[in-house]
Amino acid sequence: EVVLLDSGGDLVQPGGSLRLSCLASGFNFDNHVMSWVRQAPGKGLEWVSGITGPGTDTYYADSVKGRFTISRDNSKNTMYVQMNSLRAEDTAMYYCARSGDAFDVWGQGTMVTVSS
Amino acid sequence: EIVLTQSPVTLSLSPGERGTLSCRASQSVKSHLAWYQQKPGQAPRLLIFDASNRATGVPARFSGSGSGTDFTLTITSLEPEDCAVYYCQQRATWPLTFGGGTKVEIK
Repeated sequence: EVVLLDSGGDLVQPGGSLRLSCLASGFNFDNHVMSWVRQAPGKGLEWVSGITGPGTDTYYADSVKGRFTISRDNSKNTMYVQMNSLRAEDTAMYYCARSGDAFDVWGQGTMVTVSS
Repeated sequence: EIVLTQSPVTLSLSPGERGTLSCRASQSVKSHLAWYQQKPGQAPRLLIFDASNRATGVPARFSGSGSGTDFTLTITSLEPEDCAVYYCQQRATWPLTFGGGTKVEIK
């Protein structure tokens, strides 16, 4: 069974940092582009960042560029996003998703709340 | 960045009725457009990829069409379980982008 398990969400103060993880199973992880997608409470979906299979190319939304860093460890079937300088507007449910022709597999989501 | 505009914002339909959701791109995305369904408290679910291809397990009442800048998701006969928010998304260029969503509700 193809599964993505995202974790690491927490309550953090403005300006703080957090690292999210996405553990993949049931498919050849290193063959797939992977992404993070977020959804603020009551709002729509926003793509955040993506990384190619080997991890050589990374992409970011303007809203997180320079603050978030996406990475992956294919030996552990795990993708990460390091989130620094967090702001209130980063408060959202964060989903990892397998990207190919579309986001065909999604994690269950992990909640990040940025508040003092 | 490619902007995707979805309409209408809310669509009210009776069970068995046909529904048409629109997604317009600010520039051509060729056929690189997908549709997702999201119910409250759940992760999104892929319905359609590359404009017109149904994902595995998606009922035949869902169909997609279009290319370039104008796309449509059609629900031929609404079932109560189809009440959800529907999003389009393009993969033609980075950054990937989503539309703002259309909420489908039962009249």
